[in-house]
Amino acid sequence: GENVEQHPSTLSVQEGDSAVIKCTYSDSASNYFPWYKQELGKRPQLIIDIRSNVGEKKDQRIAVTLNKTAKHFSLHITETQPEDSAVYFCAANSGYSTLTFGKGTMLLVSP
Amino acid sequence: GAVVSQHPSRVICKSGTSVKIECRSLDFQATTMFWYRQFPKQSLMLMATSNEGSKATYEQGVEKDKFLINHASLTLSTLTVTSAHPEDSSFYICSARAWGGTNEKLFFGSGTQLSVL
Repeated sequence: GENVEQHPSTLSVQEGDSAVIKCTYSDSASNYFPWYKQELGKRPQLIIDIRSNVGEKKDQRIAVTLNKTAKHFSLHITETQPEDSAVYFCAANSGYSTLTFGKGTMLLVSP
Repeated sequence: GAVVSQHPSRVICKSGTSVKIECRSLDFQATTMFWYRQFPKQSLMLMATSNEGSKATYEQGVEKDKFLINHASLTLSTLTVTSAHPEDSSFYICSARAWGGTNEKLFFGSGTQLSVL
């Protein structure tokens, strides 16, 4: 089955800096890669996703890049703000298979 | 996006009692729902896959007699923690599967914080 590795487990940045979270996956058949943001005690929310037919997708301050050859994808947050502080999860699946989640990255943005 | 409602949000119970948690898809039908357990600062641990009209599929190490799952309709799945003990205290989250094209999209409930005294 699919195995998703996520790094780093924790990430501290200053407000205004950029943050990058990286994930690797094992199943070359995976073709869908969503990212979820979970604030403390709340539900995970889908913030951006990418399919394997594109290499990059942007939505305002967040972007996701995908390298199918290397089987890794990354989340980029620019101009970070304190409200970006949360746990971020990457995930991967193919077709009708269940999403496999990474272990999460706790992002702390200091004012 | 799709809305998933989960109740209760918080429950405190005595050891030995049973607790039922409900997960509802409000504006779409979900033939498949998922139940997760999450410890502080840790990832979502999939406990079981709930399939409407059939038995749930449990992940390895999860006791099916301890965590009873019922998915009797296309919009409702329930998780019952039977004879709860302090070690069952955790944050439980459900999610419902919706299809975005050919891939699964998951929408999560708001979670239930269970505290067993």
